[in-house]
Amino acid sequence: AQTVTQSQPEMSVQEAETVTLSCTYDTSESDYYLFWYKQPPSRQMILVIRQEAYKQQNATENRFSVNFQKAAKSFSLKISDSQLGDAAMYFCAYRSADAGGTSYGKLTFGQGTILTVHP
Amino acid sequence: DAMVIQNPRYQVTQFGKPVTLSCSQTLNHNVMYWYQQKSSQAPKLLFHYYDKDFNNEADTPDNFQSRRPNTSFCFLDIRSPGLGDAAMYLCATSRGWRAAGGRGYNEQFFGPGTRLTVL
Repeated sequence: AQTVTQSQPEMSVQEAETVTLSCTYDTSESDYYLFWYKQPPSRQMILVIRQEAYKQQNATENRFSVNFQKAAKSFSLKISDSQLGDAAMYFCAYRSADAGGTSYGKLTFGQGTILTVHP
Repeated sequence: DAMVIQNPRYQVTQFGKPVTLSCSQTLNHNVMYWYQQKSSQAPKLLFHYYDKDFNNEADTPDNFQSRRPNTSFCFLDIRSPGLGDAAMYLCATSRGWRAAGGRGYNEQFFGPGTRLTVL
């Protein structure tokens, strides 16, 4: 079974600064997807960024980028030029890419990191 | 706008009194998921429907049932809620993967959740 670990229960950043959220995972699979989801207080969870394991290039979405280290099973999220609206719980998640597997389609989440942005 | 809708947003029930949570989607997605998220914890998948095929997670208690009468709607039934069932319940949807031969990324879209309180 896959596991996802976020070792930082809480992080804080000053507005306009950069912050990095950490995530590690454990799997025996070679093909999978990794995601970062954002869950603002009392609002729905939305996808921030995704990474396909077979792609070596790190994914980037505007101010959000990842550092994907497959051998180390590490997947960190960097938020540049932090904004007040970035304050939320951030979840790292894993999904198998093996369509024949019983767990295909299932997201396994980490425990989450609460990000506070100070003005 | 196409979306995932959950009703009600807040539900209060009594210990042991059956309760039903509702999810609807306008995305015409094949797959609908139910997650349980306890306070400050990661969402935990309870089960999912791929079209009419029901897929239960091995550790989902029998107390939790689900129905999907059509593509658009999915219900979560808690037959005898206990205090430990108080949580946020998240519904999510995604496109199916079988028609694409299994490969391919299918983003999960989440609803805003229903917060269940058990008295």
